[in-house]
Amino acid sequence: DIQMTQSPSSLSASVGDRVTITCRSSQTISSYLNWYHHAPGKAPKFLIYAASNLQSGVPSRFSGSGSGAEFTLTINSVQPEDLGTYFCQQSYITPYTFGQGTKLEIK
Amino acid sequence: EVQLLESGGGLVQPGGSLRLSCAASGFTFSNFAMSWVRQAPGKGLEWVSVISGSGGSREYADSVKGRFTISRDHSNNTLFLQMNSLRAEDTAVYYCAKGSRGDFWSGYVMDVWGQGTTVTVSS
Repeated sequence: DIQMTQSPSSLSASVGDRVTITCRSSQTISSYLNWYHHAPGKAPKFLIYAASNLQSGVPSRFSGSGSGAEFTLTINSVQPEDLGTYFCQQSYITPYTFGQGTKLEIK
Repeated sequence: EVQLLESGGGLVQPGGSLRLSCAASGFTFSNFAMSWVRQAPGKGLEWVSVISGSGGSREYADSVKGRFTISRDHSNNTLFLQMNSLRAEDTAVYYCAKGSRGDFWSGYVMDVWGQGTTVTVSS
């Protein structure tokens, strides 16, 4: 199975800050990388597909980049509603494994 | 509006069985693959299973293969997960998620998720 590793595991940011989350895969996955946001008490929300494509309706402060085995999710100007856990997920081959998550706290 | 509503969770003893349901609305159910994903207490998300829009293809995580069965009922727009031989490590919130297309091969994304149903396996 492809292992997905995220860093950091948690971070704290103030409103307006820029944050970056990294996701690495144990083997190359081309650009088959998706990002999700799981806010407390809510259903997970799909953010980005194919490493860098923003899902319709997702605010433009979110962006993704990378290919091969290293990917990043960037949030420009963090907002209070961005708190929660961010997960990367590879869709290169089943089983479609997730990273362990990065918990974002708003100061 | 696309909506997914899971049900069927509860407390079950080790070795027992449970069937989860996910009622779908707001889209043409048979056109899209569907998945189950779970989150154990204090852990990250774990993909469990996926079924194609037609129902003809299915895949499972190794951790549940041979014990869980995914299926779908197009007449009632409902996704199921039959869970047998349950173990303590199956304790989790189980989410159903809609795929972005009918198949689930490379590039598959889960674009809408339900709120989840909680399964607790304990004696």
